[in-house]
Amino acid sequence: AQSVTQLGSHVSVSEGALVLLRCNYSSSVPPYLFWYVQYPNQGLQLLLKYTSAATLVKGINGFEAEFKKSETSFHLTKPSAHMSDAAEYFCAVIQIQGAQKLVFGQGTRLTINP
Amino acid sequence: GAGVSQSPSNKVTEKGKDVELRCDPISGHTALYWYRQRLGQGLEFLIYFQGNSAPDKSGLPSDRFSAERTGESVSTLTIQRTQQEDSAVYLCASSRDSNTGELFFGEGSRLTVL
Repeated sequence: AQSVTQLGSHVSVSEGALVLLRCNYSSSVPPYLFWYVQYPNQGLQLLLKYTSAATLVKGINGFEAEFKKSETSFHLTKPSAHMSDAAEYFCAVIQIQGAQKLVFGQGTRLTINP
Repeated sequence: GAGVSQSPSNKVTEKGKDVELRCDPISGHTALYWYRQRLGQGLEFLIYFQGNSAPDKSGLPSDRFSAERTGESVSTLTIQRTQQEDSAVYLCASSRDSNTGELFFGEGSRLTVL
């Protein structure tokens, strides 16, 4: 069965600093990978997705993620953090074949310090 | 509708009572998912429906939990004889189909069991 592990339940960075949120996945077949974001008091929304095309994926609000098969990773980055980036971020995986439920990681809460 | 609609947004109930949570997916979306988010934790898969196929119930935590969906429209999640550990936000999401992993989430139903 597929799974994802997010390293660090809380990450705190200064405004303007690099944001790096880590995600490692486990899947017996090629996966699709996703990052979702949950802003305070809002529903989850899709930030970006990897679906076996380009390994470097760009999403909304300046975020990007790189699929690295050799490392089974899909880390999320943003060069310069903004106060509005404070939110909970979830990595998720779905198997292209077989069970097609989307499985989420535990989430990483990102705090931006002024 | 324009988005996934869930009701009630907030429900407070007494231990032992039954509750029903409703989800109205985006029109035309064939896949519908229920997840549970406990305080400070990630998203826990409960059940998903894809068209007329048998639902994947593998995430339901006990036989007190059940869900129905009429065709490709409204879904109801029922929790019988609620327990305090059932307190959580119950999230519904829909998708054009279950192959994409691109889910559109509602804002959730917050359940508090006293």
